Order: sequence, then structure tokens, then C-alpha cells
Amino acid sequence: SYVLTQPPSVSVAPGQTARITCEGDNFGRKSVQWYQEKPGQAPILVLYDGSERPSGLPERFSGSSSGKTATLTVSRVEPGDAADYYCQVWDSSSDHVLFGGGTKLTVL
Amino acid sequence: QGQLEESGGGVVRPGRSLRLSCAASGFIFNIYGINWVRQAPGKGLEWVAFIPYHGSNPSYANSVKGRFTISRDNSKNTLFLQMNSLRPDDTAVYFCAKVRGAVVSGGGLDIWGRGTMVTVSS
Repeated sequence: SYVLTQPPSVSVAPGQTARITCEGDNFGRKSVQWYQEKPGQAPILVLYDGSERPSGLPERFSGSSSGKTATLTVSRVEPGDAADYYCQVWDSSSDHVLFGGGTKLTVL
Repeated sequence: QGQLEESGGGVVRPGRSLRLSCAASGFIFNIYGINWVRQAPGKGLEWVAFIPYHGSNPSYANSVKGRFTISRDNSKNTLFLQMNSLRPDDTAVYFCAKVRGAVVSGGGLDIWGRGTMVTVSS
């Protein structure tokens, strides 16, 4: 079965750039989504189709994918960006939604 | 933008059943697929089930297949999750989440409810 692997944690200082990776067998034609989740709150979609931002999301959030790795990049990190981040794909072969294990972003 | 609101959670003994509901407002419910996603305490997000906009051919995670049933009433803008034979490892916050694109299955989930807690314990 398809598995998405994320690093458990990433730490950056304010103003720096955070990069969170998501590894799968081959993203190929699969679109990758990214979610931000803060304690006690529902997840928020921050990127869809790999690099598209929903309206209202800051341009500091960007995404890319190549081969087996998709990357969420958060530029000029702010303390409010501290959260858990999850990647997600739709596996059309099984009609299943898959989430990565999540990455805790700590702002030092 | 739209809203989703879950209800029906609670404490239930192993082996019993529970039915969750998800009420939708602010968007055209009957043209969007909806998912149930859960999160066990201190754990990550786990997809549970998906139902297309038309209600046919739902799909399930292997962990719940045969025990859970997802359904929807488009006349009442409401989604359901019937959970049978509950186990302690079903304990989680259950979220309903709307697919971003109309009449499609894949893609991002752009509207989430706040979740309802289900605790399975003797």
C-alpha cells in the first residue's frame, strides 16, 4: 500500500525558512495537499495540487514536488506558524485518502 | 465559505454502536464529496471514509471496512457515519471534511468541522 513519510519534527528560528518533506513511492500524477493543524483546532488546507494556495493563505507558504519527494516551504517563519503539518494524497487506484504521519514545526 | 458541524460523539463500550452526524451549511452540499477523518489522542490524522457527491460507491480505510458505514442525505445537507463493533482503538476525534472540487473525488479538503470525540472504553 502507498505510504507517505514525513520527518517527525523540524525546527527553525523566526525569519528563517522551514522545509518540510513528504516522501512517497512516486508522486507522479498524484496531487499533494498540505494541512496545518494547531492544538485544539481543526486542520486547515494550506496548499493543494502541490503548490496552489487557497485564498487568504500567505505567499510565504509554497510547495513543490519531484519524483518521490514533495516539499512544503514556509518562508520568513513567524511564531504563529508553529503547528503540525500533514501531507496528503488521493490514491485513485484504491479510492483512498492518505495522510503522512505529520511534522511538528517548532519556531525557536 | 461554508461550515461543517459534527455531532453524536460520546463514550461507548467496546462492541457497541454509535452514529455520527455532520451538518453542512453555506455551500451546495449535493455537489461535493465528503470524508470522515479521525485523530486518536496525541496521534496524526487518519482517513476513515469517503462518499461521493451522489452517495454511491463509498470507500473505507481497511481499519474500519465492514464495521463503519458512511452515508448522506442530500435533502437535509447531512453526512452520517454509522460505527458498529467499536473497539478501543477507534477512540479519536472524528472530523468531517469537504472535498475542495465539485463532483470530484480527489484533491484537497478545504472545509473541516471542529470534530466530535468518540471514546470506546469499558
